[in-house]
Amino acid sequence: AQSVTQLGSHVSVSEGALVLLRCNYSSSVPPYLFWYVQYPNQGLQLLLKYTSAATLVKGINGFEAEFKKSETSFHLTKPSAHMSDAAEYFCAVRMVEYDKIIFGKGTRLHILP
Amino acid sequence: DAGVTQSPTHLIKTRGQQVTLRCSPKSGHDTVSWYQQALGQGPQFIFQYYEEEERQRGNFPDRFSGHQFPNYSSELNVNALLLGDSALYLCASSFMWPPQGVYEQYFGPGTRLTVT
Repeated sequence: AQSVTQLGSHVSVSEGALVLLRCNYSSSVPPYLFWYVQYPNQGLQLLLKYTSAATLVKGINGFEAEFKKSETSFHLTKPSAHMSDAAEYFCAVRMVEYDKIIFGKGTRLHILP
Repeated sequence: DAGVTQSPTHLIKTRGQQVTLRCSPKSGHDTVSWYQQALGQGPQFIFQYYEEEERQRGNFPDRFSGHQFPNYSSELNVNALLLGDSALYLCASSFMWPPQGVYEQYFGPGTRLTVT
């Protein structure tokens, strides 16, 4: 069965510092992988997705993620944090055959001034 | 172009009651998926509707049922509400073509259900 593990339910970084949110997946075959962001009292917005093309995926708002099959990881990074990046981030996986998306428990990103 | 819309925004119900939540997909989308997001958790897949039929279902009891209408809008019904049903219910729409494509799911703002 597929699953997604996000390391760290809360991550704090200083404004201007590197953002690194960790995600590991378990799947017998490379799945489709996603990162979503959720701002307070809002729905989810897709940041980026991996679909077996390039392993380094660039998304919106300066975020990017690298698919590493050997490590079964799909960590999200951003070179320089901005106050507006404070939100909940969800890593998610979807098998090729199905449209069901399985989400991790989320990581709340706090930006320190 | 309106995105995914959901109604109502908030809802308070009593244990044992029934509730209906509504979702209108993004223009051009034909598939609707429903998710339950408990406080402090990631969304969990409830079910998906395509061509007015339930296409897939997650691990939710039969108290959770749904419907899709010819205009692709959808309803989520929950019977015999339990306190544990309190959550944010998210609707996501997508366009299912090609069938094995990686079509993006667009999420609505959700309906916050509180069961007392």
